[in-house]
Amino acid sequence: GENVEQHPSTLSVQEGDSAVIKCTYSDSASNYFPWYKQELGKRPQLIIDIRSNVGEKKDQRIAVTLNKTAKHFSLHITETQPEDSAVYFCAASVGYGGSQGNLIFGKGTKLSVKP
Amino acid sequence: DTAVSQTPKYLVTQMGNDKSIKCEQNLGHDTMYWYKQDSKKFLKIMFSYNNKELIINETVPNRFSPKSPDKAHLNLHINSLELGDSAVYFCASSQGTGKKANYGYTFGSGTRLTVV
Repeated sequence: GENVEQHPSTLSVQEGDSAVIKCTYSDSASNYFPWYKQELGKRPQLIIDIRSNVGEKKDQRIAVTLNKTAKHFSLHITETQPEDSAVYFCAASVGYGGSQGNLIFGKGTKLSVKP
Repeated sequence: DTAVSQTPKYLVTQMGNDKSIKCEQNLGHDTMYWYKQDSKKFLKIMFSYNNKELIINETVPNRFSPKSPDKAHLNLHINSLELGDSAVYFCASSQGTGKKANYGYTFGSGTRLTVV
């Protein structure tokens, strides 16, 4: 089945610096890769996603890159701000079988942005 | 107006009790899920329902029984609660499943279950 590895588990940056979170997946049939942000005590919320026919996607300060050959994808946050502090989860869709279409999540990265 | 709503938000109960968590979505989605988030923040799928039918039942003790009376509701009943059941339980919904899935999940606000 699908396995998603996420690194690092914690990340601390200074305000204004960039932050990069990386994920790898095992299911070569996966074709959808979302990123969720979870603030303390709140629900995970989708911040950006990418499908397998695209190599990169940007939304203001957030970008995601996908390397299908290597089966890894990354989240890039530029010009970080204190409000970016949260736990970030990557996920990959299950590509086949009875669970096809469901999401498997990485273990999360706790990002701290210091003012 | 809440898209995916869960009740209760907090639940404190004693070991051995039976409790239920309710989830409703008004997005018109036909697939609903229960995820468990432990103290280390790991999100693990428990169940997935599509149009009231069970699609996924991960390795979850049979003390956990989901019930979907219609595609807008997915409730979770837990029998004989144990200390290890303490966690935050998230309901989520999405449109479609399998090859027809559009993948975007909307999560509920979570239910923090504490077993004492």
